[in-house]
Amino acid sequence: DSGVTQTPKHLITATGQRVTLRCSPRSGDLSVYWYQQSLDQGLQFLIQYYNGEERAKGNILERFSAQQFPDLHSELNLSSLELGDSALYFCASSVVGTSTDTQYFGPGTRLTVL
Amino acid sequence: SQQGEEDPQALSIQEGENATMNCSYKTSINNLQWYRQNSGRGLVHLILIRSNEREKHSGRLRVTLDTSKKSSSLLITASRAADTASYFCATARTGANSKLTFGKGITLSVRP
Repeated sequence: DSGVTQTPKHLITATGQRVTLRCSPRSGDLSVYWYQQSLDQGLQFLIQYYNGEERAKGNILERFSAQQFPDLHSELNLSSLELGDSALYFCASSVVGTSTDTQYFGPGTRLTVL
Repeated sequence: SQQGEEDPQALSIQEGENATMNCSYKTSINNLQWYRQNSGRGLVHLILIRSNEREKHSGRLRVTLDTSKKSSSLLITASRAADTASYFCATARTGANSKLTFGKGITLSVRP
């Protein structure tokens, strides 16, 4: 158990809908990352937050947004969902969010868009 | 695009044998990390090796890093059926941006 929690574990929804994925980082970690894992794209970095502020952006679609709250939990919002958004979404956390940090991953949320 | 490229893509060995997995990358890095993923589940951090390190050990794991060749290898000694999983190398580039860039992964099957 990495100490990173994600809810829900599974999510099934329809095209065009909007969902929110939630992540709680390990105790003491200030930085949160979101990754998407799909069969065709593999593991892709989406976005990073550090202490409530966006720090880095990767291959995140405009339909997706995220935020980190004062209690350091983070939410990833996916809207206007398409079939291709079906994937495993992972949250990771690290202490200070620099390139020397180890990132610890949560169990993931499996999103299925029908 | 993915920076890490693992080799082989799939590996099948007998329990007790050693498993060697390789990873190559393209740009300069701050560190390289190996993760394990059991079928569709979360990623488990195995080991981190910094760019100024050449070799690191953790239990049955041995990781080497050759920055001149931009490559790393992960050796699992005396493999067990429970080692069956996908293994990913991930690189963190030099600089403040700490995102990890993952390879496509190696599927390791350890036959009992």
